[in-house]
Amino acid sequence: AQSVTQLDSHVSVSEGTPVLLRCNYSSSYSPSLFWYVQHPNKGLQLLLKYTSAATLVKGINGFEAEFKKSETSFHLTKPSAHMSDAAEYFCVVSDLTGKLIFGQGTELSVKP
Amino acid sequence: EAGVVQSPRYKIIEKKQPVAFWCNPISGHNTLYWYLQNLGQGPELLIRYENEEAVDDSQLPKDRFSAERLKGVDSTLKIQPAELGDSAVYLCASSRGTAPTDTQYFGPGTRLTVL
Repeated sequence: AQSVTQLDSHVSVSEGTPVLLRCNYSSSYSPSLFWYVQHPNKGLQLLLKYTSAATLVKGINGFEAEFKKSETSFHLTKPSAHMSDAAEYFCVVSDLTGKLIFGQGTELSVKP
Repeated sequence: EAGVVQSPRYKIIEKKQPVAFWCNPISGHNTLYWYLQNLGQGPELLIRYENEEAVDDSQLPKDRFSAERLKGVDSTLKIQPAELGDSAVYLCASSRGTAPTDTQYFGPGTRLTVL
């Protein structure tokens, strides 16, 4: 069965410093992986997705993630945090039917 | 291109009352999903439609929940009767197909509070 584990429930960074949100996955086959962001009272927005092409995936708003099969990881990074990045972030894996399995989420706080 | 539309955005009801949520997917998207998101957790799939057919409703509590997508476009999710534990956000999403690589686009959700 597919699953994802987000290693931090809450991450706090200062504006202008790097962001690292960690995600490990479990899959019996080559996975499709996604990062979604959810701002308060807003819907989920796709940041980026990995679909077995390039292992370094670039997304919107300066975010990127690297697929590492040997470590079963798909960590999300951004070189410099902005106040508007404060939100809940979900690492997601898709099963063969297209069903999405979400992690528990990581709340990102950005301090001025 | 318009996104996934959901209504209402917020709903407050007394327990044992019925409630219904409506979703209109992105034009041309054949697959529609309803998810349940409890506070502090990731969404969980309730039901998935391919056109008019419910192809995965294994997580839908069928004793009180029902859903329909009669013309293969918009969809309604109903709860009758509602219980206190149903308080959550109900999200609708749509995608062109069901491949693992297909992106699902989410609506803003309906926040249900059961008193």
